[in-house]
Amino acid sequence: GQSLEQPSEVTAVEGAIVQINCTYQTSGFYGLSWYQQHDGGAPTFLSYNALDGLEETGRFSSFLSRSDSYGYLLLQELQMKDSASYFCAPPYGQNFVFGPGTRLSVLP
Amino acid sequence: GAGVSQSPSNKVTEKGKDVELRCDPISGHTALYWYRQSLGQGLEFLIYFQGNSAPDKSGLPSDRFSAERTGGSVSTLTIQRTQQEDSAVYLCASSLSGTHTDTQYFGPGTRLTVL
Repeated sequence: GQSLEQPSEVTAVEGAIVQINCTYQTSGFYGLSWYQQHDGGAPTFLSYNALDGLEETGRFSSFLSRSDSYGYLLLQELQMKDSASYFCAPPYGQNFVFGPGTRLSVLP
Repeated sequence: GAGVSQSPSNKVTEKGKDVELRCDPISGHTALYWYRQSLGQGLEFLIYFQGNSAPDKSGLPSDRFSAERTGGSVSTLTIQRTQQEDSAVYLCASSLSGTHTDTQYFGPGTRLTVL
């Protein structure tokens, strides 16, 4: 089976750094994706960690530790447009299981 | 090229009616996914198509839900005898080959409201 945990809400100010954690228990786990979804919009892909360690893409970084069943998304130099929901999604069989999502609010 | 498109964007129906939701994936993408998202919730996997393989229907919540993918392209999700709990946004996504390193591209969704 699988279970995923993310904080439900995170609030930070512009220019700050925020970390969104994802812990999971899945059978046959071997990676972790992150998606961003603005209110009323469709999810968009941010990153995929196939291996342990840190992947950096601009202001966003994603970390994975398969042995600890843990990952996080790190957002730096926060901007107002980063206000959105963020979902972690480990692969499960041929598909992905999406976490409950973390709603990030960036304040001026 | 064009992204994933879905129609209709909004659908209001009465309890007990059947509805059909359409998804046009990105041309050349062999993998197609349907998800359901209730207000403020995460994405619930429904069904997955990959090429000519038998679809993975493990996420369909009941036998009132079915989906087809014709010619390896367009997909239709059908909900029979709709119930109020079916109200949600139904999202379709496609990816190039369905591997875990492939990006899933999502459509704008169909917002279904069952009265």
